[in-house]
Amino acid sequence: SQQGEEDPQALSIQEGENATMNCSYKTSINNLQWYRQNSGRGLVHLILIRSNEREKHSGRLRVTLDTSKKSSSLLITASRAADTASYFCATDGSGQNFVFGPGTRLSVLP
Amino acid sequence: DAGVIQSPRHEVTEMGQEVTLRCKPISGHNSLFWYRQTMMRGLELLIYFNNNVPIDDSGMPEDRFSAKMPNASFSTLKIQPSEPRDSAVYFCASRQTGSTGELFFGEGSRLTVL
Repeated sequence: SQQGEEDPQALSIQEGENATMNCSYKTSINNLQWYRQNSGRGLVHLILIRSNEREKHSGRLRVTLDTSKKSSSLLITASRAADTASYFCATDGSGQNFVFGPGTRLSVLP
Repeated sequence: DAGVIQSPRHEVTEMGQEVTLRCKPISGHNSLFWYRQTMMRGLELLIYFNNNVPIDDSGMPEDRFSAKMPNASFSTLKIQPSEPRDSAVYFCASRQTGSTGELFFGEGSRLTVL
């Protein structure tokens, strides 16, 4: 079973708007990561947040983590057409593997 | 650094044929992962290696699938015989052993089994 579940499944916004994606997971984690996948390409790591962190920033990205609710959110501010992609959260499963959610497809319209 | 290199990028084959997918991880990375991505099931971990040793192959669908890592710079995923339901994009990823950090993905091998 998948550990992470992203919400919404798809999101369409206008350029310049903010995009928020959510991730819920089921069991305790050590850290949570977000990845981006452009169409036809491999996944690219965006940001990692550890279980003892509540918020982290990287450029236009802001990630929050609420371990009590077993949820995380990814905020992309001032979105651009180039942000159009699928976004996945990944949680550390047993051993050293990572379990990915089904992803959120983000479309940023010019 | 060239990143994780996968080949072939695209493969079209007929049911029953053998398929071999190849991966070269990033130099210095001792953990290697094979994932399969489909619309229906998303990203599924098939198997991962630490220091060339398979650690968890519980995600391998069935005996038709096998993976090897003969050395630190090369891994293969073989499907024999292939079936239409194996059609998917297969990704290889690597990272440093023991790290809880990011996975580095290849561009994937898109397999179509007719």
